[in-house]
Amino acid sequence: SAVISQKPSRDICQRGTSLTIQCQVDSQVTMMFWYRQQPGQSLTLIATANQGSEATYESGFVIDKFPISRPNLTFSTLTVSNMSPEDSSIYLCSVEEFLPGTDENEKLFFGSGTQLSVL
Amino acid sequence: GQQVMQIPQYQHVQEGEDFTTYCNSSTTLSNIQWYKQRPGGHPVFLIQLVKSGEVKKQKRLTFQFGEAKKNSSLHITATQTTDVGTYFCAGDSGGYQKVTFGTGTKLQVIP
Repeated sequence: SAVISQKPSRDICQRGTSLTIQCQVDSQVTMMFWYRQQPGQSLTLIATANQGSEATYESGFVIDKFPISRPNLTFSTLTVSNMSPEDSSIYLCSVEEFLPGTDENEKLFFGSGTQLSVL
Repeated sequence: GQQVMQIPQYQHVQEGEDFTTYCNSSTTLSNIQWYKQRPGGHPVFLIQLVKSGEVKKQKRLTFQFGEAKKNSSLHITATQTTDVGTYFCAGDSGGYQKVTFGTGTKLQVIP
């Protein structure tokens, strides 16, 4: 099973500033995913980060607001830019583990999350 | 786009009672996954179902995938306080579609 280290675990930020969240995986993975979980809500995919190419953003999310880096196969960062109180959420990175020969071939592993509060 | 709804949104049960959450997709799924998120924690993978009508069991948990592959259920027998958390289904329509998480069911178990 993939082990994912995500930091910071929480932060309180002032509006208008930016925060960069880091995600480190203990094995090489092709795709890393960034999710947002607003208070009491489900998980919404922000973008998929592929090594060596630009991230693919989901509807409603743009690169200027959520720039992503993926410098190698074990690391990614998500920046939340020009923050407003509406950005207060938990941000989660995730990787997909493939288990050939089983029917559990798309399980997602999540980092412990970053709880962001914007004042 | 694909929508995945779960009912109920919240459920309070007495310890020892059974619990069921239902998951319904607006589109046919290639597979369905279930995750559990403890309070303050991150989602943890429980199981994946692939075949139409499939039923899988994990101790007190029973997972079912509908015949039409558009719905699923999770049933917990004789709940325990350790079952507290939010249960999410996540549907994959196949191809390059990303997994879509359901709206979640928050389970509270009263000792």
